[in-house]
Amino acid sequence: AQSVSQHNHHVILSEAASLELGCNYSYGGTVNLFWYVQYPGQHLQLLLKYFSGDPLVKGIKGFEAEFIKSKFSFNLRKPSVQWSDTAEYFCAVNLRPGGYNKLIFGAGTRLAVHP
Amino acid sequence: NAGVTQTPEFQVLKTGQSMTLQCAQDMNHEYMSWYRQDPGMGLRLIHYSVGAGITDQGEVPNGYNVSRSTTEDFPLRLLSAAPSQTSVYFCASSRDRQETQYFGPGTRLLVL
Repeated sequence: AQSVSQHNHHVILSEAASLELGCNYSYGGTVNLFWYVQYPGQHLQLLLKYFSGDPLVKGIKGFEAEFIKSKFSFNLRKPSVQWSDTAEYFCAVNLRPGGYNKLIFGAGTRLAVHP
Repeated sequence: NAGVTQTPEFQVLKTGQSMTLQCAQDMNHEYMSWYRQDPGMGLRLIHYSVGAGITDQGEVPNGYNVSRSTTEDFPLRLLSAAPSQTSVYFCASSRDRQETQYFGPGTRLLVL
């Protein structure tokens, strides 16, 4: 069965520290990959996405993610976090073609950034 | 554009009660879906729709019904609420089946 694994459920960092959140999926076909973010009290927003092309994608607020097909991974990175990055981060995989009903989310990673 | 709107924001129900969670979008998106968010489990798909008059089940459909009479609206009905349905419910829509989904603000439901 297809699944998405996020390795860290809770991450605590100090401001200016570097961030890497792991995401692995189990599916052998073509995928679209997403990272969504949910700030406290807000709804989910798209952080970045990968459909095809350059496997290193850049999103909003200085975030980037790298798709490594051989590792079935799509890790999220930011070189220097800010207090305002405190949020919950969800990796999601959309199986294609015909995969709308297969948008699978990971369990999420709660990031707390201390000033 | 208001995007995706959901009502109510909060709701408390007693076991056995029924209610409808409303979802509307003004982006003319064909695809709409309902998720529930539970701690440690991410978002799980309840039902989805690929267009007016067409709906299908997701990962956790039991206890929920949906209909899609218009492109804009996609209500989720709980026929007989159970404590296991205590959760945060998100509605989402997208232009194309592979495109980015836009989420509503969520409905927090507590079933006693």
